[in-house]
Amino acid sequence: SQQGEEDPQALSIQEGENATMNCSYKTSINNLQWYRQNSGRGLVHLILIRSNEREKHSGRLRVTLDTSKKSSSLLITASRAADTASYFCATDREETSGSRLTFGEGTQLTVNP
Amino acid sequence: GAGVSQTPSNKVTEKGKYVELRCDPISGHTALYWYRQSLGQGPEFLIYFQGTGAADDSGLPNDRFFAVRPEGSVSTLKIQRTERGDSAVYLCASSYASSGRVDNEQFFGPGTRLTVL
Repeated sequence: SQQGEEDPQALSIQEGENATMNCSYKTSINNLQWYRQNSGRGLVHLILIRSNEREKHSGRLRVTLDTSKKSSSLLITASRAADTASYFCATDREETSGSRLTFGEGTQLTVNP
Repeated sequence: GAGVSQTPSNKVTEKGKYVELRCDPISGHTALYWYRQSLGQGPEFLIYFQGTGAADDSGLPNDRFFAVRPEGSVSTLKIQRTERGDSAVYLCASSYASSGRVDNEQFFGPGTRLTVL
């Protein structure tokens, strides 16, 4: 079953603007990961944030994690048309540590040139 | 190869037929995962291998689904008596991490799109 819920489900912005996507989850986690998917095929790992971390940066990506609210956000700064894709959060839950990832339903981001 | 590979990339079959989907993980990765993704949804976990053994198969929807990894590398997902509801993209991922490690970044293959007519 899906643990995460992303919002918004779809986001359309202009090139150069920032894009913020949110993810909520239900159970205690070891870490939370964000993945990107183009055209409904393979997923590409973007960033992992551990449960004892609050913020992490990677290039134009910024991820925050609030374990008290069981939520995370992904910020993409200075977006480009090539950022158009679906973005998923995935949790590594404590109860299934190291085995499965539990994915949300994703946010479809469209960056218009 | 450099990444996870999956074959075939597309498979069209008729209801009731048997199919096999193959996954070749990144060399040296001990953990291998199968997920299924329906249109407009996130991937759903099916089964996880640590080495040759299925450490967690609780995501398999029913006994028509079975997976093996006999030598701890390549894995095959087998679906018997396929149904139209089995149509989805089947994703394989591998990871260096073992159970209990904090960081288990998973590397995904391009998937096999299965269509059951």
